[in-house]
Amino acid sequence: DADVTQTPRNRITKTGKRIMLECSQTKGHDRMYWYRQDPGLGLRLIYYSFDVKDINKGEISDGYSVSRQAQAKFSLSLESAIPNQTALYFCATSPGPYSNQPQHFGDGTRLSIL
Amino acid sequence: AQTVTQSQPEMSVQEAETVTLSCTYDTSENNYYLFWYKQPPSRQMILVIRQEAYKQQNATENRFSVNFQKAAKSFSLKISDSQLGDTAMYFCAFMTYNNNDMRFGAGTRLTVKP
Repeated sequence: DADVTQTPRNRITKTGKRIMLECSQTKGHDRMYWYRQDPGLGLRLIYYSFDVKDINKGEISDGYSVSRQAQAKFSLSLESAIPNQTALYFCATSPGPYSNQPQHFGDGTRLSIL
Repeated sequence: AQTVTQSQPEMSVQEAETVTLSCTYDTSENNYYLFWYKQPPSRQMILVIRQEAYKQQNATENRFSVNFQKAAKSFSLKISDSQLGDTAMYFCAFMTYNNNDMRFGAGTRLTVKP
């Protein structure tokens, strides 16, 4: 089984719909992240969480919200989806600070908004 | 804020030859980590190689090696004996020492030709 699981793998939806992307991990890491990937822009950080009670905005948080339901679960919501939110979304985890371990990624959710 | 620049959007190489992907970064930190990730068409983010900034010795992993020039803030990836399976998008990434911030370059799409 994958250490970091994202659902759904692919999603097509319409403008204005509310969408939730889910991420769960079995790595026991405290830190979790959501990124979006766009061609020519690499990965950009949307939100991150260092523990259940700690949520922080990343580089591009407008139009998104998150919920850390448990140490192992971190979901990303688009309250009212718009076409420019069409992208590949990644969830990632990492251990605590001062570790040389890089972030560990899920397999991504490809989201298309029509 | 840290920035990571990959100036080669696309590159190609003949099978069995050597190719070098470029990456530069900007930071005021003295301690940090650098990574190269590979993203094949399956879209997984696969760690290729890592480098700690305090280590002068360049990291190597089988056919993959880096040229880390700390003063020049340069971190290039060399792939020797290129294989068809090396065809992928490659991302350079920077991570702060306290693991609070990870930044990615825009990526280089590498095609290995038979």
